[in-house]
Amino acid sequence: KAGVTQTPRYLIKTRGQQVTLSCSPISGHRSVSWYQQTPGQGLQFLFEYFSETQRNKGNFPGRFSGRQFSNSRSEMNVSTLELGDSALYLCASARDGISYEQYFGPGTRLTVT
Amino acid sequence: SQQGEEDPQALSIQEGENATMNCSYKTSINNLQWYRQNSGRGLVHLILIRSNEREKHSGRLRVTLDTSKKSSSLLITASRAADTASYFCATDVNDYKLSFGAGTTVTVRA
Repeated sequence: KAGVTQTPRYLIKTRGQQVTLSCSPISGHRSVSWYQQTPGQGLQFLFEYFSETQRNKGNFPGRFSGRQFSNSRSEMNVSTLELGDSALYLCASARDGISYEQYFGPGTRLTVT
Repeated sequence: SQQGEEDPQALSIQEGENATMNCSYKTSINNLQWYRQNSGRGLVHLILIRSNEREKHSGRLRVTLDTSKKSSSLLITASRAADTASYFCATDVNDYKLSFGAGTTVTVRA
């Protein structure tokens, strides 16, 4: 079956702009999680969605938000971009939640200039 | 802050040798997972071991879990060049959050 897809794969934005990233999970997976990966902070948990409900959120400012649609596809939005938001954003899908193996997408590389 | 910490941070071995890396964590867990990441790409799931399990095998991979010491180890036997990657342990901080360690970078020399 098709893997997790993320769009776009690469993005360059200017400080102050906003950005929306998209994630399509594996068919049948209801849980989608988002992570930010940077060389300095490593992999940081952003949020987890299950059946359109956010079940948990990491320690990120309110500029980071997300949502999940009825078909389990998920989007995350970052408003008022800062230079420090430059990172690889990874989404992962799982059958029922984080106690199951996570299937990761290839990531979206966001560069903020 | 990260729940898990891998040790060592980096490892360089000859093809055919074994590679061992360790993960320590701070709080009680339901399960622990190991992932591999090749050069800035997405992570690939390797093994999930539950808190009531002590050892698990998958091909050339062997994972142990010691809940009394809050630690886990990942052993890759007979390493190949394709095993060159970063390896991460991940623990469930609660039912809805997975916390990753900083990772061990493994380089397998031909």
